[in-house]
Amino acid sequence: DADVTQTPRNRITKTGKRIMLECSQTKGHDRMYWYRQDPGLGLRLIYYSFDVKDINKGEISDGYSVSRQAQAKFSLSLESAIPNQTALYFCATSDSGSGGEKLFFGSGTQLSVL
Amino acid sequence: KQEVTQIPAALSVPEGENLVLNCSFTDSAIYNLQWFRQDPGKGLTSLLLIQSSQREQTSGRLNASLDKSSGRSTLYIAASQPGDSATYLCAVLNYGQNFVFGPGTRLSVLP
Repeated sequence: DADVTQTPRNRITKTGKRIMLECSQTKGHDRMYWYRQDPGLGLRLIYYSFDVKDINKGEISDGYSVSRQAQAKFSLSLESAIPNQTALYFCATSDSGSGGEKLFFGSGTQLSVL
Repeated sequence: KQEVTQIPAALSVPEGENLVLNCSFTDSAIYNLQWFRQDPGKGLTSLLLIQSSQREQTSGRLNASLDKSSGRSTLYIAASQPGDSATYLCAVLNYGQNFVFGPGTRLSVLP
C-alpha cells in the first residue's frame, strides 16, 4: 500500500460545484502539503499544515480551503470550482524530526473542471 | 525569495551515455536539496536528499552533488537507460520557509 494515498485519482466536475480531494498517510509524518501542478508553471503550494492545529496558506490559496482532520488526514476543498482550477493536484508529507524534511508525494489527482 | 532554475529544460541522449542535470538556486542558506523523478501524469518519487552539511549523495547509478557557495547542485546519471526517461525536478528548502521547486528537466533516453 502507498504511504501517501490520494483519492480520487481522477475527477471531472462542472463549474460551480464543490468538491473535496482527500489525502491520508501512514508515514506518521507531522507535516502535510497540497500542491498543484500546471504545464509550464511547475509545482505551486496551495496550503500546508505543520500539525493538526496548524494550517497555513501557500502562494495560491484563493478559491481553496483545507481541513486537517487528524495527523494522518489532510483534505483540500474547492468551494466553487472554476475551469482554471483544472490541474494535477498532489498531497505531500514530511517529517520535521529525524526525517531531515524529506518530502514524500502521493500519486496525484487529475482534476478537470468543465 | 528563493528561485530555482534547471538547465537544460529538455535533454535527449542515446542509451549508455553518462549525463548531468543542473539545478541552480539564488539563496544559499538552504536546509536541504532534494531530487525527484516524475513520470508523465504520475507523482514525484524522491531520488536523493542532500542536507546542507553534505557535499554529495549516491544511490545506484545516481550521484547528486551540492555546492552551496555557488548555489548549484548536479544530478549525475551513469550509463543511462530508456527506463530513466522522465522529468527530473529539484526542490530546495530554506530555513523557516517552504520547499521551492525547479521547473524540471525532461529526459529522453533513446534505445
